[in-house]
Amino acid sequence: QSALTQPRSVSGSPGQSVTISCTGTSSDVGDYDYVSWYRQHPGKAPKLIIYDVTERPSGVPDRFSGSKSGNTASLTISGLQAEDEADYYCCSYAANYVYVFGPGTKVTVL
Amino acid sequence: EVQLVQSGAEVKKPGRSLRISCKGSGYTFTNYWINWVRQMPGKGLEWMGTIDPSDSYTNYNPSFQGHITISADQSISTAYLQFSSLKASDSALYYCARQKVPSAKWFDPWGQGTLVTVSS
Repeated sequence: QSALTQPRSVSGSPGQSVTISCTGTSSDVGDYDYVSWYRQHPGKAPKLIIYDVTERPSGVPDRFSGSKSGNTASLTISGLQAEDEADYYCCSYAANYVYVFGPGTKVTVL
Repeated sequence: EVQLVQSGAEVKKPGRSLRISCKGSGYTFTNYWINWVRQMPGKGLEWMGTIDPSDSYTNYNPSFQGHITISADQSISTAYLQFSSLKASDSALYYCARQKVPSAKWFDPWGQGTLVTVSS
């Protein structure tokens, strides 16, 4: 199973919006509405911020939103804040209880 | 509070075996699967495999199958990741993460991570 594709980095000023893409194949992202996103601050464990493409866990601000079109899922962070500077990983279910992650995207708040 | 607490950092020589642990608390351990995820230094996340603690069903990423063994002891709410013969390339941070199957296809929460260093 090949890893998903994400941009290495994105950046934005406070208050702006940034979008991170996550491209897979018709065997993972394109075949299932089971894309999740995780935020990882340096030296910390990943934290779930989006599941099932668009759903936000309790406690995650509505500044975070997810979407999907075909084989590409996206995470949008609106109203960028300093605390959003972190690495973001997408993950997709790929059948038979197998999962694949993207390589991660570093978000920089300018 | 739901928590996954992992065992401490390990330093091992190549060829040695190693077992690291992940203890769940604050929930019914057998109602959730435990997944293991590798993060090599400065790199991204890689899903390694999963276990259903209620019956020890396991499923592995083909990239790791044969090199690792995932197990669980429901009596002490603990899952394990075992390496039979460590290689330098096993040096990484390993996370466990909870998953409620069959409905949930996401991981939450995660353990704090266990750093494994393999060096002669």
